[in-house]
Amino acid sequence: DSGVTQTPKHLITATGQRVTLRCSPRSGDLSVYWYQQSLDQGLQFLIQYYNGEERAKGNILERFSAQQFPDLHSELNLSSLELGDSALYFCASSVGGRASTDTQYFGPGTRLTVL
Amino acid sequence: DAKTTQPPSMDCAEGRAANLPCNHSTISGNEYVYWYRQIHSQGPQYIIHGLKNNETNEMASLIITEDRKSSTLILPHATLRDTAVYYCIVRVKYNNNDMRFGAGTRLTVKP
Repeated sequence: DSGVTQTPKHLITATGQRVTLRCSPRSGDLSVYWYQQSLDQGLQFLIQYYNGEERAKGNILERFSAQQFPDLHSELNLSSLELGDSALYFCASSVGGRASTDTQYFGPGTRLTVL
Repeated sequence: DAKTTQPPSMDCAEGRAANLPCNHSTISGNEYVYWYRQIHSQGPQYIIHGLKNNETNEMASLIITEDRKSSTLILPHATLRDTAVYYCIVRVKYNNNDMRFGAGTRLTVKP
């Protein structure tokens, strides 16, 4: 158990819909990262937040957005869903900043299926 | 961040050491080598990391060549539960926002 929690574990929805994925980082971690893993793309970095502020963006679509709240949990919002958005979505957390050891620890993931 | 090259798959007998190689010939002086593994569709699990010295923890050992162009992850006594995809990643330690996972090595531990 990495200490990172994600809900829900599974999500099934239809094209055009909007969903929200939730992540709670490990206690003490200020950085949260979101990754997408689909069959043909592998693990892709989407976005990072540090202490409530966006720190970096990766291959995140404009239909996707995220935020990190004052209690440091994060949410990833996916809208206008398409079949190709079906994937595993992982959240990771790390201490963040210039910590001497800044290893990312991953949550169990949310499996999104778009029908 | 430097690109890594790993064999797509490897087999190992249960109880034997599993040695997983990784080439990172363009690694920079300030880039660390990290290893993660992913068991089935679970979240990637951190294993170990190092800069230039060999490292050991309760899970594995990391051997980095003197020129730092390659490394080997060693699982000393592989078990069936070590069957997973192993990822070798090189990155600047504080540049945490671009962990590039390649295809990794699929290790199968056989009884």
